[in-house]
Amino acid sequence: QLQLQESGPGLVKPSETLSLTCTVSGGSISSSSYYWGWIRQPPGKGLEWIGSIYYSGSTYYNPSLKSRVTISADTSKNQFSLKLSSVTAADTAVYYCARRPSGRGYGMDVWGQGTTVTVSS
Amino acid sequence: DIQMTQSPSSLSASVGDRVTITCRASQSISSYLNWYQQKPGKAPKLLIYGASSLQSGVPSRFSGSGSGTDFTLTISSLQPEDFATYYCQENYSNLFTFGGGTKVEIK
Repeated sequence: QLQLQESGPGLVKPSETLSLTCTVSGGSISSSSYYWGWIRQPPGKGLEWIGSIYYSGSTYYNPSLKSRVTISADTSKNQFSLKLSSVTAADTAVYYCARRPSGRGYGMDVWGQGTTVTVSS
Repeated sequence: DIQMTQSPSSLSASVGDRVTITCRASQSISSYLNWYQQKPGKAPKLLIYGASSLQSGVPSRFSGSGSGTDFTLTISSLQPEDFATYYCQENYSNLFTFGGGTKVEIK
């Protein structure tokens, strides 16, 4: 059974870089059948797609965040990571990692439980 | 960018009611539309993909329809565990934009 687990600091200072890791168990991120991505949800608000990575290493980012976002993968650890630079209070959110089958028309079918990140000095 | 607008933003319904939620895209997205259910403190759960395909394990009381710009999620007979917030999401543009959500509350 595939499981995703987010990890990383729960508190980040303004202007610093937020770093999170998603550890995948029960499946391989090296599979060509899936994309692996990050989504966030500010407190009391809706969902925002941040970006995704494919097994080939190709990355796709939300243009609104692209200048600050890097998503990378470590296939030896079966993990993928998110880095968001120059954070502000507006980046305070629950961050989720999720899997999406490749090919158009598929939704994000497996999600991590989410991790809360607060940006504050 | 494609904008996704859901209506209503909230609704009150009783167990056994038929519930319909609407999602409208700012441009045609063919059938590239997904629906998710989110309960408080939990991750979203995929219900429908490709506008009308039921995700494995999802009860058949959930159904989706539509294409182009107008889509609906229908719950044929609302159950106690269905009280949650529902989101639509497009995956036509590869930006995976979500709608603002519809909160289904107990009447």
